[in-house]
Amino acid sequence: GESVGLHLPTLSVQEGDNSIINCAYSNSASDYFIWYKQESGKGPQFIIDIRSNMDKRQGQRVTVLLNKTVKHLSLQIAATQPGDSAVYFCAHQDTGRRALTFGSGTRLQVQP
Amino acid sequence: EPEVTQTPSHQVTQMGQEVILRCVPISNHLYFYWYRQILGQKVEFLVSFYNNEISEKSEIFDDQFSVERPDGSNFTLKIRSTKLEDSAMYFCASTGGYEQYFGPGTRLTVT
Repeated sequence: GESVGLHLPTLSVQEGDNSIINCAYSNSASDYFIWYKQESGKGPQFIIDIRSNMDKRQGQRVTVLLNKTVKHLSLQIAATQPGDSAVYFCAHQDTGRRALTFGSGTRLQVQP
Repeated sequence: EPEVTQTPSHQVTQMGQEVILRCVPISNHLYFYWYRQILGQKVEFLVSFYNNEISEKSEIFDDQFSVERPDGSNFTLKIRSTKLEDSAMYFCASTGGYEQYFGPGTRLTVT
């Protein structure tokens, strides 16, 4: 999945800094949320997920925060590395459905 | 590590022709999906498939589209009469629980 031509918001960080990527959703019936990473020419790669009964979940160098009150999701990447450079998509799944609805993505650029 | 595979990686076809995109989901997964991503746009859901039948489909998935699991390993998407606007990356995904794992995609170019 190439992102050439995508007019995405871009987050540029220095290697070693922490990154925070944000996502808003609109459907209060959404009960499952996922962050995907997409590198040029590749499919979305699962990073971390969270269910609506939680507000925080941690993985290796990544943390997802969910604020259901304002319908906001964020992905925090600690000690960002050049290999983290990619487009990041949030996606959500509504109660009773299998389909994922994707956000429009944020391009993360890590400067060495 | 098991992964979803897709063939071909790139398919070029003429408008009006039929194409079949192929996927091999992760072996113990039960739900299968097709998504597409038009260049410059976000990933869009097309269809989900479970227990040999469509469980959910989007408005994009009209009568020109069909899916099939012809054997125990393959999952296919057929577009009967391709249109220029069908040009996109097509991703297959599968899941055994909640996480949907995506394949590398097939780039379909309709000329």
